[in-house]
This record gives sequence, C-alpha cells and structure tokens, in this order.
Amino acid sequence: SQKIEQNSEALNIQEGKTATLTCNYTNYSPAYLQWYRQDPGRGPVFLLLIRENEKEKRKERLKVTFDTTLKQSLFHITASQPADSATYLCALPLSNSGYALNFGKGTSLLVTP
Amino acid sequence: GAGVSQSPSNKVTEKGKDVELRCDPISGHTALYWYRQSLGQGLEFLIYFQGNSAPDKSGLPSDRFSAERTGGSVSTLTIQRTQQEDSAVYLCASSPRDEAFFGQGTRLTVV
Repeated sequence: SQKIEQNSEALNIQEGKTATLTCNYTNYSPAYLQWYRQDPGRGPVFLLLIRENEKEKRKERLKVTFDTTLKQSLFHITASQPADSATYLCALPLSNSGYALNFGKGTSLLVTP
Repeated sequence: GAGVSQSPSNKVTEKGKDVELRCDPISGHTALYWYRQSLGQGLEFLIYFQGNSAPDKSGLPSDRFSAERTGGSVSTLTIQRTQQEDSAVYLCASSPRDEAFFGQGTRLTVV
C-alpha cells in the first residue's frame, strides 16, 4: 500500500540555523510532491510544489529537493525564525489521474530564540 | 469569499444523531476534498470531487458517511448515527489544479 513517512519526532533547532525535514514514500510514482505548513487549530497552508522532473525548487528561505530514485523529498528552511515553528506536512497525489492528495503525518518544528 | 469557508466551526452532538458539515469552496475551484484529522494525527482522506466526474469515495470509513457537492460549488458532508470515534476536525479544501486551499475546519465532538 502507499505510504508517506515523515519523522514523527519533533525537530528542535536554534534560530538562524537551517531546518531540514524529510519525507519518504513507498509504492508511489508521483508526478509531483507538495509541502504544507499547519499551525495548531488551523488548516494546512500550501508552501511549495515540486514536479518529478525538477530536482530542486526554492521560494524565499525555503528549498525543496525531490529524488525520485531514493523516493525522498527534503524540505529546508534556512535562517530559521521562531515564527517558522509549526508542523510541516508532505503530500503526494493519490493517483496520477486526479488531484486528490494523500498527506504524511507531519513533522513538528520548534525554532527557539 | 476570499477563502474556503466551513460551518459550523464547532459542533457537539450526541451519539447516534446525524450531523451535516458544510463547505463553501473558493469560487472557480473545480476540485473539492474532505479530510479528517484526529487529535495529534495526520490528515485522513475522505472524499474528492473533481468537476462533473464521479466523486472518489475511497476514503469514506463507513456507509454512515456521505457527501455531496451541489452545482459544482458548496459541499455537505453528512455523518449518520454518529459514534464517539467520529470525533475529529473535519477539513475541507478546494483546488484549481494542484495545490489545495484549506478551510479552518469543523471540530466535531460526539458525546
């Protein structure tokens, strides 16, 4: 069955450092992969989409890589700030014939001053 | 409206009652999704609507759950004969293509 795995342990880092979160998947051949941010009590917010033919994508302090051989995506936040503290979710399309998304359980990030 | 709107924001119901949860998607978005998120858990896919195609109901946990989308816009998720294990936040999202825009969710508590 299709699985998306994200580190269940919270990631604690110091302000200014780079946070790196991992998303591994099995039994998928996704056309793209997405990352979302979720704050407590709120719905997820879209951050970045990376397609299977893209190795890397950047948006401001965010960088995503996508290795379809390793079946892994890495999500980096550079120069992290306390405001970056949230849960980050990885999402893949359920199939490549539609756009329904399957989400990982997310990794909680805490950035301390 | 500017974003996806869900109502009610909170719902407390007695076990065995039926509940209806409403989602107003972003105008023009052809895709609409329902997810469920239990405390401390990930998002569980429930159902997906895309344009006029038959909905993907593969995530509905039992036949007590149903959803409809009228006129390609507003959607209602209905849970019949609610059980305590149905307690969760129900999230709706709409999408123009790839990225999903989520509402704030409806927190359902079955007592």
